[in-house]
Amino acid sequence: NAGVTQTPKFQVLKTGQSMTLQCAQDMNHEYMSWYRQDPGMGLRLIHYSVGAGITDQGEVPNGYNVSRSTTEDFPLRLLSAAPSQTSVYFCASSQTSGVSTQYFGPGTRLTVL
Amino acid sequence: GIQVEQSPPDLILQEGANSTLRCNFSDSVNNLQWFHQNPWGQLINLFYIPSGTKQNGRLSATTVATERYSLLYISSSQTTDSGVYFCAVDPGSSNTGKLIFGQGTTLQVKP
Repeated sequence: NAGVTQTPKFQVLKTGQSMTLQCAQDMNHEYMSWYRQDPGMGLRLIHYSVGAGITDQGEVPNGYNVSRSTTEDFPLRLLSAAPSQTSVYFCASSQTSGVSTQYFGPGTRLTVL
Repeated sequence: GIQVEQSPPDLILQEGANSTLRCNFSDSVNNLQWFHQNPWGQLINLFYIPSGTKQNGRLSATTVATERYSLLYISSSQTTDSGVYFCAVDPGSSNTGKLIFGQGTTLQVKP
C-alpha cells in the first residue's frame, strides 16, 4: 500500500513551458485534491475532485487544469508556466464518509524561471 | 469564506516542556484536522477531530465546535516534534474533501 504518490519530486521550468504533475493513490479514495504551499504560508486549494469524471475549482485555480479519468489518478497540468507558480505542490486524497482523514503525497517542488 | 487563524505563529521550547497550540475558525465546520509538517516537508495527519477530545501518546487535541476553536497539546516535547503544525477545516454541513488551512505554528524544540 503506497498511499499517495507524486512525480516528479523536483522540476525546473522556463516561463511559458507546460507540464503535468502526476498524482496517484491506491486507497480507493473518492476525494482527491491539489494544494500549493508558498514560503511561510499554509496550503491553498487549487482543484479538487469528488470522483472519476467530476472536478471543481478551489481557491487558486488560475493557470492550472485537471481531469479525473480514473479513481486512482489525478494529474495537474500547468498550461503556460509563470514565475508566480513557483511553489511546492501537494496532492491529497480522502474517503467520502466516516473518518475522512486526508492523506498527503510527498510533494513536488517546482521552480519556474 | 471561512477564516482559520492559528496562534502563536512561532514557538521555541526546551526539550521536555509542554505547549498548547490554538486554532480559531470563523464559521461552522464538519471536519477539523491537525497536521504536522516535518523539516523534510512531509505532511502527517495527527488528528481528525471535528469535536471532542482525542489523545495519541504525548499529543492530544480538543475541539469545541460551538465556540469555533481547537487546541493541540504537546507534552514532554522532543526535538523530533519540531516543524510546522497546521490546522485545517472542511467548512459547511457535510464532508466535501476540501480543506482550508491556517497559516501554521512553527515549533522549534531545543535539546
